[in-house]
Amino acid sequence: GAVVSQHPSRVICKSGTSVKIECRSLDFQATTMFWYRQFPKQSLMLMATSNEGSKATYEQGVEKDKFLINHASLTLSTLTVASAHPEDSSFYICSARDFAGSNNYGYTFGSGTRLTVV
Amino acid sequence: AQSVSQHNHHVILSEAASLELGCNYSYGGTVNLFWYVQYPGQHLQLLLKYFSGDPLVKGIKGFEAEFIKSKFSFNLRKPSVQWSDTAEYFCAVIPEGDNYGQNFVFGPGTRLSVLP
Repeated sequence: GAVVSQHPSRVICKSGTSVKIECRSLDFQATTMFWYRQFPKQSLMLMATSNEGSKATYEQGVEKDKFLINHASLTLSTLTVASAHPEDSSFYICSARDFAGSNNYGYTFGSGTRLTVV
Repeated sequence: AQSVSQHNHHVILSEAASLELGCNYSYGGTVNLFWYVQYPGQHLQLLLKYFSGDPLVKGIKGFEAEFIKSKFSFNLRKPSVQWSDTAEYFCAVIPEGDNYGQNFVFGPGTRLSVLP
């Protein structure tokens, strides 16, 4: 089945540095990928929709200058947390949809990235 | 906008106990419903889904869920849990016909701990 690889799984960084998270669709092409954020004991919240070859669409309240999304190819989307601060510490998950294979939406999720900013 | 609520943050059961996790959604139109499971350190996996037809849906690993339209509910059940079912469970909703996923809404999740 469709596989989405997300890297790194864990990252600890100093406040003020930038962190890049990669999301790859391994065996299918994903024109659209989604980035979610999960706070402790809260739901996954959609941050942005990443579209290959065009600008990402951000949800209300998500700072596009803080969370930079690049979807340069049909198999790779990256999320860069710019000048990270401790309040950016969270669990970030990407997902992609394999349009080709299914009539069940076919969403596949990455394994998530635990970001800790110290 | 639609929203999803899950009744419990954390459920603790002994092995062989029966499980029911509650999920309610709010949305005025037709929806498609999902339950996802996230085992410790792993990615979200689809347990089961409902699109139409029989409101009792069977999924993987012995899980099932029942869609009760009048109650806007989609509760997850398993007659006898195992220690390996320890995980976080997410209910999710998407309006029918949404092909791009922007409105894929998750519940807050329920952590299930099964004691051996």
